[in-house]
Amino acid sequence: AQKITQTQPGMFVQEKEAVTLDCTYDTSDQSYGLFWYKQPSSGEMIFLIYQGSYDEQNATEGRYSLNFQKARKSANLVISASQLGDSAMYFCAMREPYSSASKIIFGSGTRLSIRP
Amino acid sequence: DTGVSQDPRHKITKRGQNVTFRCDPISEHNRLYWYRQTLGQGPEFLTYFQNEAQLEKSRLLSDRFSAERPKGSFSTLEIQRTEQGDSAMYLCASSSGTGADTFGSGTRLTVV
Repeated sequence: AQKITQTQPGMFVQEKEAVTLDCTYDTSDQSYGLFWYKQPSSGEMIFLIYQGSYDEQNATEGRYSLNFQKARKSANLVISASQLGDSAMYFCAMREPYSSASKIIFGSGTRLSIRP
Repeated sequence: DTGVSQDPRHKITKRGQNVTFRCDPISEHNRLYWYRQTLGQGPEFLTYFQNEAQLEKSRLLSDRFSAERPKGSFSTLEIQRTEQGDSAMYLCASSSGTGADTFGSGTRLTVV
């Protein structure tokens, strides 16, 4: 069964520093997609970045990059030059197999707090 | 394109009452998902529609829950005889099948 594990319930980071949010996943499928979403206090889930299981390059989107280590089943999110507005809950998620319309499975999240 | 809209944003109801939530997806998206999120947890899948067809339901969706998408556009999620355990954020998401799903801001339900 597919599963997402986020082991950091909360993190505090100084503004302008880089931060890495950990995510490991479990799947028996070879084809899957990994996502990171941000959820501010307003409640909506904001898509940040996506990595396909067959993508050889790590995904990047502006200040966000995904450190994808397939053999270790790890998909850590790296935020460079953190900003106060980055304070939010962050969820790692997976859809397997990616090409289908199957549901997304979410981890339990990491609450990131940026200190000025 | 105004994104995914959910109504109401907040709902307080007494135990035993019925409640209905509405989701308006992005107009060109044929796929619509409902998720439930309790405090401190990630969202959990409830059900999925492709156009008007309900293709998958989670075992979390008890007999008291029903969802519809009658014309393949907006969707409603009804909870009958609400219980305190139903208190949660109910999130709707839509997708065209390519790219990431777009989520709404959710409906926060409190059962007192």
